[in-house]
Amino acid sequence: DVKVTQSSRYLVKRTGEKVFLECVQDMDHENMFWYRQDPGLGLRLIYFSYDVKMKEKGDIPEGYSVSREKKERFSLILESASTNQTSMYLCASSGVGLATDTQYFGPGTRLTVL
Amino acid sequence: GDSVTQMEGPVTLSEEAFLTINCTYTATGYPSLFWYVQYPGEGLQLLLKATKADDKGSNKGFEATYRKETTSFHLEKGSVQVSDSAVYFCALSDPPGAGSYQLTFGKGTKLSVIP
Repeated sequence: DVKVTQSSRYLVKRTGEKVFLECVQDMDHENMFWYRQDPGLGLRLIYFSYDVKMKEKGDIPEGYSVSREKKERFSLILESASTNQTSMYLCASSGVGLATDTQYFGPGTRLTVL
Repeated sequence: GDSVTQMEGPVTLSEEAFLTINCTYTATGYPSLFWYVQYPGEGLQLLLKATKADDKGSNKGFEATYRKETTSFHLEKGSVQVSDSAVYFCALSDPPGAGSYQLTFGKGTKLSVIP
């Protein structure tokens, strides 16, 4: 089974702090994704990566950056956290070829910015 | 662009009732279609998928059939249980290997099943 893990289930940070959210997958997947989930808005794609050191902006990249130094790890960075970034953050991964269409998700990190 | 529309919730059913959650989509070509489920406090889990017209995806008693003519992928279950209480998301992506990696999600439908 695919396993996607996220570094924290719950996180509380203060406005202006730099925040790192870590995601690790164990299935040698090429593609990794970061979403945020908000009530009434569903899931929105922040960034994705299709290879080590490669990244693409999603629908809402403002205020975020990402890092992918190793294939299994994809980090989401909030350079200066703000209260409107309080949300549930979900990481996902998918394979290549015929497996590109199916994404597997981690348990999520609920971030609160005070 | 691609879009997914699913019925608004919340939906409340009694145990053993029949469940239908409607999902329609707008996309070019032949997208892959998915239902994901999110239990309280957890991430999304893939429930079922279908990749071509008239395919039926099924898992854990849930079923959905890919209807190209009506651009729909409605989720059904004959007899729901309390443990099925969750939020259900319909989603689509480009076909496998098509090169675009993104999923397009509906907004989710919250299901509550009461004993």
